[in-house]
Amino acid sequence: NAGVTQTPKFQVLKTGQSMTLQCAQDMNHEYMSWYRQDPGMGLRLIHYSVGAGITDQGEVPNGYNVSRSTTEDFPLRLLSAAPSQTSVYFCASSYRARGPQAYEQYFGPGTRLTVT
Amino acid sequence: GQQLNQSPQSMFIQEGEDVSMNCTSSSIFNTWLWYKQDPGEGPVLLIALYKAGELTSNGRLTAQFGITRKDSFLNISASIPSDVGIYFCAGRASRGGADGLTFGKGTHLIIQP
Repeated sequence: NAGVTQTPKFQVLKTGQSMTLQCAQDMNHEYMSWYRQDPGMGLRLIHYSVGAGITDQGEVPNGYNVSRSTTEDFPLRLLSAAPSQTSVYFCASSYRARGPQAYEQYFGPGTRLTVT
Repeated sequence: GQQLNQSPQSMFIQEGEDVSMNCTSSSIFNTWLWYKQDPGEGPVLLIALYKAGELTSNGRLTAQFGITRKDSFLNISASIPSDVGIYFCAGRASRGGADGLTFGKGTHLIIQP
């Protein structure tokens, strides 16, 4: 298994540009999430999904869109990039199993985004 | 939303020393997780805790779920150079549901040879 994969690894955008960060997992996990990590801030939840066709907002959803058409993929779209969106973005997934083990999230390697 | 207070922010220790870090919350958590992040990588799950009072070990790592359900600690015994990194606590407050984790701001562990 490749686990959770993210592309690209690095990206530079100009203010106002749009782009999609890709995330895929091959573990048949139903739960997938996007986080951003900023210095001194830990990881903050952007959006999450409990299964194909179902998404919901996290703590910092503004400026981002998500969709979940398949179990494997959960892309994150930046509609009009702003310098405040400069960050490291992590995708995570977890099992949908009975019991608390459903909450053990596995993270991808991250995408480092700079908006100038 | 919930907030986790993680301390210390950073630790400078000698190789071989034991390490202790903790997280506290103003809310009750039903799950506590401890992650380690190496530079340029995503967080990796170290230990998961599900019951108040639970004490769980993973090699030289030991973590406990506080009795009040508002705190957790992580101990690392006999530290080695590869223990360097950022350690995050994370918690989930809701029973069921699928919202993501709440993370602490991390403890940066630096080991001096």
